[in-house]
Amino acid sequence: EAGVAQSPRYKIIEKRQSVAFWCNPISGHATLYWYQQILGQGPKLLIQFQNNGVVDDSQLPKDRFSAERLKGVDSTLKIQPAKLEDSAVYLCASSPWDGGTQYFGPGTRLLVL
Amino acid sequence: AQKITQTQPGMFVQEKEAVTLDCTYDTSDQSYGLFWYKQPSSGEMIFLIYQGSYDEQNATEGRYSLNFQKARKSANLVISASQLGDSAMYFCATANQAGTALIFGKGTTLSVSS
Repeated sequence: EAGVAQSPRYKIIEKRQSVAFWCNPISGHATLYWYQQILGQGPKLLIQFQNNGVVDDSQLPKDRFSAERLKGVDSTLKIQPAKLEDSAVYLCASSPWDGGTQYFGPGTRLLVL
Repeated sequence: AQKITQTQPGMFVQEKEAVTLDCTYDTSDQSYGLFWYKQPSSGEMIFLIYQGSYDEQNATEGRYSLNFQKARKSANLVISASQLGDSAMYFCATANQAGTALIFGKGTTLSVSS
């Protein structure tokens, strides 16, 4: 069974530029999560989808971050415009149902200069 | 609000020895889950073990076991017979049974030497 796929693996941009990350969850997993992991800390939730609906986006900085999960499968997370403090690893995870064990992708390492 | 505390920034162990990574949690939920994940330098979070708050027996998965003490609100990870490949960051996390996102601790770096 294929795991959670993410791309790109690495991205370097300058502040005020925009960037987008893509995630394809494990086949059949209804719930998809985006986490932000700043160096030296544990991951923190940005947004949670159940199929193509948003369950929790309370910690998403909506003035610059947006996410969508069209058709309830893959998802895109966008940052526009990026700030220096957005430098982090962005992890995507999926679970088979709301509350099941979450399985993570390899992450995208973003560096904002 | 839920909270996870991992008080050991780094742990060092010799190959083949056992090691315990500490985790305490704080939650007002009656039903919740506790998780441990491993994060190697490559960055991927690898699921290791799960314990439900109503599970009467401690969870085990191969060389991993979870020492669950509900009254003390602790969920320590025990790794038996450490291997060089166990060197990584280890995160304890919790989620309520309703399926909200995981709340992670700050992690513990484990270094295994030969």
